[in-house]
Amino acid sequence: EAQVTQNPRYLITVTGKKLTVTCSQNMNHEYMSWYRQDPGLGLRQIYYSMNVEVTDKGDVPEGYKVSRKEKRNFPLILESPSPNQTSLYFCASSKRTYWNTEAFFGQGTRLTVV
Amino acid sequence: AQSVTQLGSHVSVSEGALVLLRCNYSSSVPPYLFWYVQYPNQGLQLLLKYTSAATLVKGINGFEAEFKKSETSFHLTKPSAHMSDAAEYFCAVSDLSLPNAGGTSYGKLTFGQGTILTVHP
Repeated sequence: EAQVTQNPRYLITVTGKKLTVTCSQNMNHEYMSWYRQDPGLGLRQIYYSMNVEVTDKGDVPEGYKVSRKEKRNFPLILESPSPNQTSLYFCASSKRTYWNTEAFFGQGTRLTVV
Repeated sequence: AQSVTQLGSHVSVSEGALVLLRCNYSSSVPPYLFWYVQYPNQGLQLLLKYTSAATLVKGINGFEAEFKKSETSFHLTKPSAHMSDAAEYFCAVSDLSLPNAGGTSYGKLTFGQGTILTVHP
C-alpha cells in the first residue's frame, strides 16, 4: 500500500530537549516536504527536498533542520524545541515537483513542548 | 506571490442540505488548484484538483468544484451532505515558486486556513 509514515504520532517533550520526527514514503517520490498546521493558519511549509541531498527552506524554517540522505526518508529535527513549536506536523511527498502533482500526506505528529 | 483565502472557518449544514465551501485565490500565473480533506486524526487526502482541462471538476465522495477565473474562485460544493462529510477542508494553490539558490523552481503548494464542516442529523 502506498503511504507516508510518520513517527511518533504523539510526542510531549520539554523545552530544549532535541527531538527527531521521522518520515518515510514507499512510493519512490522525489519530492518531500514538512508542514506545520496551526488553528486558523492552515498548513505552512517548513522545509522541502527535491531529491537526495537537496533541501531548502520553506516559509517557516526557523528552529528546524532536515536531512535527506536516502530517497525514502526525510526526518525533521528540532535541536532545541520551544513552546511555540507546539503544533501538528505533516510530512508529504509527491512524484515530481511539477505544479499539478498530487501530494500524499502522513497521518501527522502532534507535538507538545512544555 | 500566491495566496488562498477560505471564507468561513466553520460551516454547519443539515444532513441532505447543500454544502458550499468558498475559496478565493491570487496567483501571478495561471494556477493549479486543489481541495484536500482532513478527517479527524488523519492526514490530508486529495478531494479534487483543477489543472486547466475543464472548469468544472468532479472529485471523490460526490464533491465538485468550479474554477471561475473572472472571480478568482474555486468553490467546493456537494448537493447533499452526509454525516460522513464532517471534516476539515483545505483549498490549496500551486504555481511555480521563485527559483531557489540553485536556480531551480518547483511547484509550491500554498494552503488556505481551512474550513471545518459540521453536519447535523
